[in-house]
Amino acid sequence: DIQMTQSPSSLSASVGDRVTITCQASQDISNYLNWYQQKPGKAPKLLIYDASNLETGVPSRFSGSGSGTDFTFTISSLQPEDIATYYCQQYDNLPLQLTFGGGTKVEIK
Amino acid sequence: QLQLQESGPGLVKPSETLSLTCTVSGGSISSSSYYWGWIRQPPGKGLEWIGSIYYSGSTYYNPSLKSRVTISVDTSKNQFSLKLSSVTAADTAVYYCARHTPYRNWFDPWGQGTLVTVSS
Repeated sequence: DIQMTQSPSSLSASVGDRVTITCQASQDISNYLNWYQQKPGKAPKLLIYDASNLETGVPSRFSGSGSGTDFTFTISSLQPEDIATYYCQQYDNLPLQLTFGGGTKVEIK
Repeated sequence: QLQLQESGPGLVKPSETLSLTCTVSGGSISSSSYYWGWIRQPPGKGLEWIGSIYYSGSTYYNPSLKSRVTISVDTSKNQFSLKLSSVTAADTAVYYCARHTPYRNWFDPWGQGTLVTVSS
């Protein structure tokens, strides 16, 4: 089974700061890595798919990069509405297996 | 616009079977090649994929839960269902249903989620 290690588990940053979250896979997953934002009491929302593709309607301050085992999610300029927990999620097509990272809680300093 | 809605008992006794249904509206569950999945989130913890069913009925489960999980689809009602047997307090969680596509396996859209508590 593929394991996903997401770090940090939490961070505190100021409005306007650049925020970076990493996700490491236990084996090569190509670019099969997605990122979600979850606000309290809400279902997760897809932000980035296949490592670097911005979902329609998602602000351009969100971005993703990486391939193989190491991936990065970036908020270029943190906004108050970005306070949430962010999750990475990998997928393996054959056989179908999906795994989430442990999550990163982003707070305003 | 496709919408998903979970429903089922909010309280289940230990050792019993948890049963939830996801009703799909705004589209047919059998009209296109999609997976229909279940994800759960224990209070204050992260997300865990439980399993998915293809529109044709093929099922795929998380190996850690496979022995206790059954996912089925009822195309006549435009619903798919989750059964989790022999539940314990560790199965207390918000349960979400969501759609994903073969070879494009990201979850979107999601249901709003439903809290299931396992307690006597």
